[in-house]
Amino acid sequence: GENVEQHPSTLSVQEGDSAVIKCTYSDSASNYFPWYKQELGKGPQLIIDIRSNVGEKKDQRIAVTLNKTAKHFSLHITETQPEDSAVYFCAAPTWGSGTYKYIFGTGTRLKVLA
Amino acid sequence: ETGVTQTPRHLVMGMTNKKSLKCEQHLGHNAMYWYKQSAKKPLELMFVYSLEERVENNSVPSRFSPECPNSSHLFLHLHTLQPEDSALYLCASSRSYPGHREQYFGPGTRLTVT
Repeated sequence: GENVEQHPSTLSVQEGDSAVIKCTYSDSASNYFPWYKQELGKGPQLIIDIRSNVGEKKDQRIAVTLNKTAKHFSLHITETQPEDSAVYFCAAPTWGSGTYKYIFGTGTRLKVLA
Repeated sequence: ETGVTQTPRHLVMGMTNKKSLKCEQHLGHNAMYWYKQSAKKPLELMFVYSLEERVENNSVPSRFSPECPNSSHLFLHLHTLQPEDSALYLCASSRSYPGHREQYFGPGTRLTVT
């Protein structure tokens, strides 16, 4: 089955700097990788995703890169702002016993310092 | 905000109590999920319902009993819980199951078992 590891567990950056969060996965058959953002008191919310037929996807200040050979994908946030402070989760899908589910990373707590 | 609401937001219960968590989605989705979120652990999928039928029971103890009376409502009935069951319980929905679909999460119910 799939195993997802996420690093770092906490990350502090100065406002305006960039932040990078990395995840590795084990199942070479995985082909879809979403990133979720969870703010205090709220549930996770999808912010960007990537499918395995592309190596990079960008949406304004957020980008995700995928290296299928190395089996890792990363979230990049540029020009960080205080409202980017949250917990970020990566995920990868897995099929097991005929059912489908996401395996989530353990999360990265990002603090953007003003 | 996400179209998924959960009640109550906070719940304290003794080990001999019986309580229920409620989830409602206003998105017209066909799949609904229960997740458990514990500190420093990945999101754990508990149950999946697709078109009101349970399709995934992720080895969850029988003291947790889900119910999906229709595609918009999902319940989690709790009885004789243990202190280690204290966690944030998140409900989510998606357009369909299975597949690489965005999951929309509710804000969660913070459960404390005393």
